[in-house]
Amino acid sequence: QVQLEESGPGLVKPSETLSLTCSVSTDSMGTMSSYWGWIRQPLGKQPEWIGSFHSSGNTYYNPSLKSRVTVSADMSKNRFSLKLTSVTAADTALYFCTKRDSASWFDSWGRGILVTVSS
Amino acid sequence: EVVLTQSPATLSLSPGERATLSCRASQSVRTYLDWFQQKPGQAPRLLIHDATTRAAGIPARFSGSGSGTDFTLTISGLEPEDFAVYYCQQRGNWPPITFGPGTKVEIK
Repeated sequence: QVQLEESGPGLVKPSETLSLTCSVSTDSMGTMSSYWGWIRQPLGKQPEWIGSFHSSGNTYYNPSLKSRVTVSADMSKNRFSLKLTSVTAADTALYFCTKRDSASWFDSWGRGILVTVSS
Repeated sequence: EVVLTQSPATLSLSPGERATLSCRASQSVRTYLDWFQQKPGQAPRLLIHDATTRAAGIPARFSGSGSGTDFTLTISGLEPEDFAVYYCQQRGNWPPITFGPGTKVEIK
């Protein structure tokens, strides 16, 4: 089981871009047939899947966020990223990075990073 | 989008009692249904994957059943550490992967 760790600013201004990075504790990221992605959870609410990058190069997004989201990966540096543009207060949440193998369950989660959108 | 409905929203039980949690999908997800436990400030912890299979290290008091649209998570005898929020999540029809609203199991 790989270890995941989120990093990035904890405070983002409205209308700006939220950018987070997830560091992966393996040198085999590029050889694993896995989905590397993001889930967020507003305080007191259920988790919401944001999107994933598959090691094949394909990306998958939640239709509700698709116009604002980019998930990308740098396999050589064992990390992947989330960019969410034009943020509002509704984007305030605990953001988790995750891994799941193809046709499989979420088997690794980061500890989460709280991102607050406020001026 | 597959909508998951969980019931009850809150379950008030005493340690040692049996907990039965329900998850219903708006369309069939076959057996691609997972259950998570979450405590405050922590990431969700996988309990059951593929509707019925306990994840590694999960005690035998946790069991899952169901297929298609109706699923159940049973905790056969509640331990103090089991009081938490439980979410079901489907990956049978995605994107998007979706989560239910959760069931809070609280101490009576």
